[in-house]
Amino acid sequence: QKEVEQNSGPLSVPEGAIASLNCTYSDRGSQSFFWYRQYSGKSPELIMFIYSNGDKEDGRFTAQLNKASQYVSLLIRDSQPSDSATYLCAVFRTSYGKLTFGQGTILTVHP
Amino acid sequence: SQTIHQWPATLVQPVGSPLSLECTVEGTSNPNLYWYRQAAGRGLQLLFYSVGIGQISSEVPQNLSASRPQDRQFILSSKKLLLSDSGFYLCACLGKQHTGANVLTFGAGSRLTVL
Repeated sequence: QKEVEQNSGPLSVPEGAIASLNCTYSDRGSQSFFWYRQYSGKSPELIMFIYSNGDKEDGRFTAQLNKASQYVSLLIRDSQPSDSATYLCAVFRTSYGKLTFGQGTILTVHP
Repeated sequence: SQTIHQWPATLVQPVGSPLSLECTVEGTSNPNLYWYRQAAGRGLQLLFYSVGIGQISSEVPQNLSASRPQDRQFILSSKKLLLSDSGFYLCACLGKQHTGANVLTFGAGSRLTVL
């Protein structure tokens, strides 16, 4: 079992729709969870991080964390073509000092 | 806020040649530092991480090595490159923001092509 798993996609949604990206992790001791966006040929850029169970909202983005189910998701509301990119989920455990990434989900938002 | 400087941005090296990629960090102290590699169309593979000066953890056995000679300097090296070492190398820093939250920041990356 991979430490962090994401559906590689591609996920295609129409402009204005909600895009839902999912991530599961295997280490129950994981403490911090990150979502990154990566455009082709560029380095990843942080969208959001979440530590606590529940929802965290920032503009059009909402991160959801369920530690009991070892599941974290990212919702993008009112999707725009500029949101088309690869979205990376990352998981961190303080005691290990190690940040582990999923393989990423390719999102395409079509006009 | 923390800033990561990574160089060189691009390099083309022959098989068997040495490699040195450098990463320096500003705006934070005693950060966790990471080297990742990304092959074309693939996810991020963790190569090395460091929680302090001289402390290096290796994730993948290979012909690469890492060193951390100073608190905010992280170096990735190889004595002899292989074709399979081609990829996009990313340095990352996990540091505390003023809010107390740990945030991971990436450098711009170094694209290596081994011929």
